[in-house]
Amino acid sequence: ETGVTQTPRHLVMGMTNKKSLKCEQHLGHNAMYWYKQSAKKPLELMFVYNFKEQTENNSVPSRFSPECPNSSHLFLHLHTLQPEDSALYLCASSRVGDVAKNIQYFGAGTRLSVL
Amino acid sequence: DQQVKQNSPSLSVQEGRISILNCDYTNSMFDYFLWYKKYPAEGPTFLISISSIKDKNEDGRFTVFLNKSAKHLSLHIVPSQPGDSAVYFCAASVADSNYQLIWGAGTKLIIKP
Repeated sequence: ETGVTQTPRHLVMGMTNKKSLKCEQHLGHNAMYWYKQSAKKPLELMFVYNFKEQTENNSVPSRFSPECPNSSHLFLHLHTLQPEDSALYLCASSRVGDVAKNIQYFGAGTRLSVL
Repeated sequence: DQQVKQNSPSLSVQEGRISILNCDYTNSMFDYFLWYKKYPAEGPTFLISISSIKDKNEDGRFTVFLNKSAKHLSLHIVPSQPGDSAVYFCAASVADSNYQLIWGAGTKLIIKP
């Protein structure tokens, strides 16, 4: 148990569906992240929230929409996805303070399949 | 262009021997490096890190070496144990990078009994 919980663990959706991924951290951290991991590729940072404010959006398509209502919860809203969006979506959190170290703690991920 | 590269997709090592995982980087501004370990169906977990002002950091069976002139770091695991079988990711950061980590593609380590 890492202190970061992601739900659901698995999700299958059609291209016209709307779904949301949820992440919750119990570590008292104040930065949260969404990553995408495709097979045999590096983790791709999608969004960063620091103190609930979005600070990075690495050119992610608008069909992915993040929401961070407080420093413990993070959502990723999905709509009109494409089959190439099928991947493992990971949430992470960290404590802002020593930026250089930036040790991030990860949830187990949501395995998303878009049909 | 990948700034952090792990050129070996997989590595097989006999139990009890040394495992050496390698990572190369191109950005000389990186000032902190981290290794993460990932089991199937789990997220990555932090293993060990090193600051660019050091050339070695040790934690139990795990040692990370940094060669700044070669822009190369390595993770040594000795002795290797079956539970070490996992995917290992190398990541790097810059102090003022707004909390971003740049990741390698990972190396799958298989420990043979």
